[in-house]
Amino acid sequence: AQKVTQAQTEISVVEKEDVTLDCVYETRDTTYYLFWYKQPPSGELVFLIRRNSFDEQNEISGRYSWNFQKSTSSFNFTITASQVVDSAVYFCALSEDNNDMRFGAGTRLTVKP
Amino acid sequence: AAGVIQSPRHLIKEKRETATLKCYPIPRHDTVYWYQQGPGQDPQFLISFYEKMQSDKGSIPDRFSAQQFSDYHSELNMSSLELGDSALYFCASSRGGYTNEKLFFGSGTQLSVL
Repeated sequence: AQKVTQAQTEISVVEKEDVTLDCVYETRDTTYYLFWYKQPPSGELVFLIRRNSFDEQNEISGRYSWNFQKSTSSFNFTITASQVVDSAVYFCALSEDNNDMRFGAGTRLTVKP
Repeated sequence: AAGVIQSPRHLIKEKRETATLKCYPIPRHDTVYWYQQGPGQDPQFLISFYEKMQSDKGSIPDRFSAQQFSDYHSELNMSSLELGDSALYFCASSRGGYTNEKLFFGSGTQLSVL
């Protein structure tokens, strides 16, 4: 069964610090998709990124970057120069060839001014 | 751009009552997913529909049912409500029937069962 582990329950940083959110996944499928979602205090789930299992290229989008490593089954998310508005719960999720996207438990990031 | 619309935003019910949550997907999206997120928990997949047919089923209780209508909106019907049903219920939509597509989530319906 697919499984997503986000070992960091809560992280607190000071503004402008870099922070990395860890995500480790388990799957027996060779084709799968990984996601990161942000859930700000307002409650909605905001899509950040999708990566398929055949594309290990790291991605950078502004202050956000993602490091996908199949060898360690990890899909870590780094925020550079964090800002107070980055404060949210961040979920890593895994989808195989079905409609059951499994979320990790989430990491609550607090960025202090 | 139009997003996924869920109604109502908040709902308060008493035990053993019924509730109906509605979801209107993004235009031209043919797939709808329902998720339940308990307090401090991660979202749990309940059920999905593709082209008005149930496509997959997760941890949805037998007391719950759902359907997708001809205009692609979906409704989640919840009967014999229990205290443990209190949660944030998300609807998401996509095109093509699989969650390997990007899911767009609504703002959720916060259900409180008293």
